[in-house]
Parts: sequence; C-alpha cells; structure tokens
Amino acid sequence: ETGVTQTPRHLVMGMTNKKSLKCEQHLGHNAMYWYKQSAKKPLELMFVYSLEERVENNSVPSRFSPECPNSSHLFLHLHTLQPEDSALYLCASSQDVPSTVFPYEQYFGPGTRLTVT
Amino acid sequence: TQLLEQSPQFLSIQEGENLTVYCNSSSVFSSLQWYRQEPGEGPVLLVTVVTGGEVKKLKRLTFQFGDARKDSSLHITAAQPGDTGLYLCAGARSSGYALNFGKGTSLLVTP
Repeated sequence: ETGVTQTPRHLVMGMTNKKSLKCEQHLGHNAMYWYKQSAKKPLELMFVYSLEERVENNSVPSRFSPECPNSSHLFLHLHTLQPEDSALYLCASSQDVPSTVFPYEQYFGPGTRLTVT
Repeated sequence: TQLLEQSPQFLSIQEGENLTVYCNSSSVFSSLQWYRQEPGEGPVLLVTVVTGGEVKKLKRLTFQFGDARKDSSLHITAAQPGDTGLYLCAGARSSGYALNFGKGTSLLVTP
C-alpha cells in the first residue's frame, strides 16, 4: 500500500449506531488530519494530530471522537450521528509542522462516504 | 468569511479549448497548493507554489503564484476530458496546521 488509505470507502449508519473510520498513511509523516467535505462547502478541518498528540480541534461535536494510536494510524469514532453529518470524510497527512525548509503539503486519502439515515 | 475565493465556480468547455481558473484572497500565504478531485475520491495534490511570482508547469497545466502571495491562477492549454474534475486551491500560513481551502472550480471538458 502506498500513500494514504481509508476504510471503509462507503458507510451507511443509523442515528443510534456506533461505527469507526480508519485511516493509515504510508508516507512516514508525523501529522494527520480529519476533514469533512459537504456539498457546496469548502473542506472543513475537524482534527489535527501531530506525533499522536491532538493539536487542533475545530469545535467539532462530541459525537465525533478521534483517536491516533501512532503516527501512521488515525481513527474517527462515530456515535449518535445526525443526518446532517452525512458527508465525505477525508483523512490527510503531512510533515509535522509548516516549515521554511519544506513546502507545507497535505496528502489525502480517497475518503469515506458516510450516509446517516 | 471565505478566505480563498475561487472563480469561476463552474466551467464547461469543449476538448481543445484553453481555460484559466483563479484563486484570490486578501490574506498572504506562505505557500499555496492546487488539488484536483474527482467525484467520490480525495483531492490529489498537483503542485505547491511558494515564492511570489513563481510559475510552475505540469504538462499542459501552468500555475502562477501572485507577486504578493495572495492569489494564484491555473491555466490549462488544450483541455482534455481527463482534465474534468474539481480544482481546489489551498493556502498555508506561516504557522498553524490549517490549510485554507476555496470552494473549488468544477470543470467539465466534453469531447
């Protein structure tokens, strides 16, 4: 496997279900991200992890719970979601911090299309 | 307030035509990236521009970063159906992890 992988690619869940999204990066990066992409909206940054420590949490409802057990894996645990949470959830990774040495580039996975019924 | 404005929002052209899409902001960015996203897939990084006035070419795609590092353009020469997709620009600040994304330009190239 190369790059950033996400599973599952598609997920349909009821409002009372609990599910998890998984992301794995094979790029040797230290930072990982969760984004939400809804129709007609810019990508919304949800969480940022750097070296397994959460460094940003952009006012995301508590029904979304991230977990980063190591620098290669990132999970998003979902429970009691609402229909408006239906969206494409994207994982990305990058070198640790924006730097004057490296251009700051994020690499995305293919996403999980989530539908909440 | 949208930090990065992309225009046009939609563009439908025929194969062989040229086009330019724009990414504008009132903010200065340390670098700016262009991505292409196909339906149901994640954005794929095309290029990163860092220096004001920088021009980068990727086959038929030409990317330019404004002198003041506030805006960028993407020019496609002789568009092909394979160029169809959503083109996103994203700006990085000198600190913080967030990339500021525009809403994108949706391009359709018909044979």
